[in-house]
Amino acid sequence: KNEVEQSPQNLTAQEGEFITINCSYSVGISALHWLQQHPGGGIVSLFMLSSGKKKHGRLIATINIQEKHSSLHITASHPRDSAVYICAVHIQGAQKLVFGQGTRLTINP
Amino acid sequence: GAGVSQSPSNKVTEKGKDVELRCDPISGHTALYWYRQSLGQGLEFLIYFQGNSAPDKSGLPSDRFSAERTGGSVSTLTIQRTQQEDSAVYLCASSLVFKGNPFFGQGTRLTVV
Repeated sequence: KNEVEQSPQNLTAQEGEFITINCSYSVGISALHWLQQHPGGGIVSLFMLSSGKKKHGRLIATINIQEKHSSLHITASHPRDSAVYICAVHIQGAQKLVFGQGTRLTINP
Repeated sequence: GAGVSQSPSNKVTEKGKDVELRCDPISGHTALYWYRQSLGQGLEFLIYFQGNSAPDKSGLPSDRFSAERTGGSVSTLTIQRTQQEDSAVYLCASSLVFKGNPFFGQGTRLTVV
């Protein structure tokens, strides 16, 4: 079992829908990242969380440390949101990031 | 520079040859990471630098892989005697401090034929 699990693996929705992507992890962490990878491969960091909730535009990320769970929400989704969304955690006491397998999101017009 | 720069963007090499991949991090970023993304797979950690030292090399898959960083800036990932399973996109990221927001390069796509 991977230390970081994302669900769903693939998600297709219509423009305007509210999107939720989930990330669960099984290890102690010091921080969690949500990353976005567009076709063509470029990766952008969306959020870094260690507690609570962060919002940036139409994107909201939450984390529950006790439940070892984080969610990424997209409100009023748009075709340009189509990308792979990756959850990654900094394991406590270690330097490396451990990645989930990613969620491929497709938003149809 | 304005972002993390990696070179070359694409590299095709013959099995058994050595390759060097270069990463220019954002100026002033002390932390530098190398990752690998094989076709259809998730991202895999390779090595982490803080300044010029590498406190965590645990992700390097074999002793054919090595990396160095000089002047707290440019890093080179070297793969000796390349094998077909080394084919992947090699990504570099830097952050201002350890566990800070990472900024990723566009990657080097390595194909071993």
